Amino acid sequence: NAGVTQTPKFRILKIGQSMTLQCTQDMNHNYMYWYRQDPGMGLKLIYYSVGAGITDKGEVPNGYNVSRSTTEDFPLRLELAAPSQTSVYFCASSSRDLDYGYTFGSGTRLTVV
Amino acid sequence: AQSVTQLGSHVSVSEGALVLLRCNYSSSVPPYLFWYVQYPNQGLQLLLKYTSAATLVKGINGFEAEFKKSETSFHLTKPSAHMSDAAEYFCAVTRSGGYQKVTFGTGTKLQVIP
Repeated sequence: NAGVTQTPKFRILKIGQSMTLQCTQDMNHNYMYWYRQDPGMGLKLIYYSVGAGITDKGEVPNGYNVSRSTTEDFPLRLELAAPSQTSVYFCASSSRDLDYGYTFGSGTRLTVV
Repeated sequence: AQSVTQLGSHVSVSEGALVLLRCNYSSSVPPYLFWYVQYPNQGLQLLLKYTSAATLVKGINGFEAEFKKSETSFHLTKPSAHMSDAAEYFCAVTRSGGYQKVTFGTGTKLQVIP
């Protein structure tokens, strides 16, 4: 039972580079989310999806893009990386009624230099 | 709009002492409330949740929380701290009745002193 799998675990990017953070879940959850976590700031929602083909912005979407072509996958794309995007990124999924709350991946630690 | 406030970004307790982590919420409608725990270099794990059933909610690892509507609080407690409880704890809120976006607090780091 893998739950939510994120890759890579660590990455260093140069300013202006692009990358995709991968997220896959095997629980058949319709709802998926991307959060970023910064020290002392808690978790901020970047984007979320309520099903394949449907995505919407969260609190801090600027500089990011997402797609949801399947129920299982919810990749996060960073275009033109900036130092302000240095953070830990978490993907999560849930059922509609939040029976078990969110299930989180183990995170991707990204540094932009 | 909804929000949570966690009082105290750092809390220290002695091993065996009571753990009390404070959370106050703001919500214009009946809320669902959650506590999550995060160990170093890991994702968040659900400790417990309140979804309008019993006001005293029991979770994993001996933790519990009580929903107090009059005080808009959902404090997390454990009678006796263990070294393995050292972690960061997040309170979270959403609207009841099905899917809604969840808002997280800024977290409280718990240190357990031997």
